[in-house]
Amino acid sequence: EDKVVQSPLSLVVHEGDTVTLNCSYEVTNFRSLLWYKQEKKAPTFLFMLTSSGIEKKSGRLSSILDKKELSSILNITATQTGDSAIYLCAPIQGAQKLVFGQGTRLTINP
Amino acid sequence: NAGVTQTPKFRVLKTGQSMTLLCAQDMNHEYMYWYRQDPGMGLRLIHYSVGEGTTAKGEVPDGYNVSRLKKQNFLLGLESAAPSQTSVYFCASTVDGSYGYTFGSGTRLTVV
Repeated sequence: EDKVVQSPLSLVVHEGDTVTLNCSYEVTNFRSLLWYKQEKKAPTFLFMLTSSGIEKKSGRLSSILDKKELSSILNITATQTGDSAIYLCAPIQGAQKLVFGQGTRLTINP
Repeated sequence: NAGVTQTPKFRVLKTGQSMTLLCAQDMNHEYMYWYRQDPGMGLRLIHYSVGEGTTAKGEVPDGYNVSRLKKQNFLLGLESAAPSQTSVYFCASTVDGSYGYTFGSGTRLTVV
């Protein structure tokens, strides 16, 4: 059975802090892993990771995949209140389906 | 704007009523998906389709039916709604399932 576990489930930090969100997965015929940010509505795409050890960056956000450890991390530096959201990790499974973790609810206090 | 459109955006149903949620995409995507999201949980796959005329079960298919008669539309039906089906429903589409998933804005369904 496909399984995706994110940790922590909830995180509260102060503006300016750096956070690391974790995702571990066990999916059949793993292809790639996607990270999404979800505020009030639909998830919005952040990163797609296919190769191990190659960091993807977008501004203050970065992410990396470790295929050997079946895991990925999402880092956010110099956090801002606008980073408050649920962050979802979703590996693409062999049958071309996204399998989502429970999400990490991140709250940034001013 | 190109994308995925879900209708309706909100709906309240009484237990036992039926309804259909519509997902429409104008990107010529082959693959379409229906997910549900409950508080404290990620998105769980209900049904999906890899092309016109095809459907397949996902992780939580019970109580739902789907149809993909036209490539651009994916319908999710509830034949006899139950309170356990209170949730936010998201539709998504992608070219071939390997990248570029586009999500609709969601349908908030409450069953009383």
